[in-house]
Amino acid sequence: SAVISQKPSRDICQRGTSLTIQCQVDSQVTMMFWYRQQPGQSLTLIATANQGSEATYESGFVIDKFPISRPNLTFSTLTVSNMSPEDSSIYLCSVQNRGTYEQYFGPGTRLTVT
Amino acid sequence: GENVEQHPSTLSVQEGDSAVIKCTYSDSASNYFPWYKQELGKRPQLIIDIRSNVGEKKDQRIAVTLNKTAKHFSLHITETQPEDSAVYFCAAGTALIFGKGTTLSVSS
Repeated sequence: SAVISQKPSRDICQRGTSLTIQCQVDSQVTMMFWYRQQPGQSLTLIATANQGSEATYESGFVIDKFPISRPNLTFSTLTVSNMSPEDSSIYLCSVQNRGTYEQYFGPGTRLTVT
Repeated sequence: GENVEQHPSTLSVQEGDSAVIKCTYSDSASNYFPWYKQELGKRPQLIIDIRSNVGEKKDQRIAVTLNKTAKHFSLHITETQPEDSAVYFCAAGTALIFGKGTTLSVSS
């Protein structure tokens, strides 16, 4: 399966600031997704990162708060804007292989907002 | 949109016993149902999946069954081992919607 990396692995940020998380894959993938996992909870889909077009957001998530870029088939970014303590969570990207439905997750970015 | 319910939330078994985790989904258009295992501090790991045109799939000690009519699918782990202890998540769809997870504890 693809090798997926995320940067940063963790960060502590002040409320009101923004953080951009990067997701890099070592091979071209059809689909990339962003999820959030709060401590002890399940994974919640934030959005599908579409290559060459605007991301598709799930209910409860908006572009102004979580802008996403996907400039090519191996890279995506998620920005968490105007952060509040409620945004403290682990953010994970996932990728879907060409021709299959299988999704694999990156190692995650642990964000703490103070 | 899709909604996935998962039961039980916790499951404790003795080593060697079987474990079964059940999920239901709401969107009849969903056609892909993976299961993930997540150990503490690690990323979710895909352990098995099933597509809607298949009723059952096995991989060594784990199996997944799907009933499309009833919109439910289950994970079966046989001959459980302590290293099976983890949180297990079911999911449905292409942009995956996850269940709330089951914490499996296997005691030796």
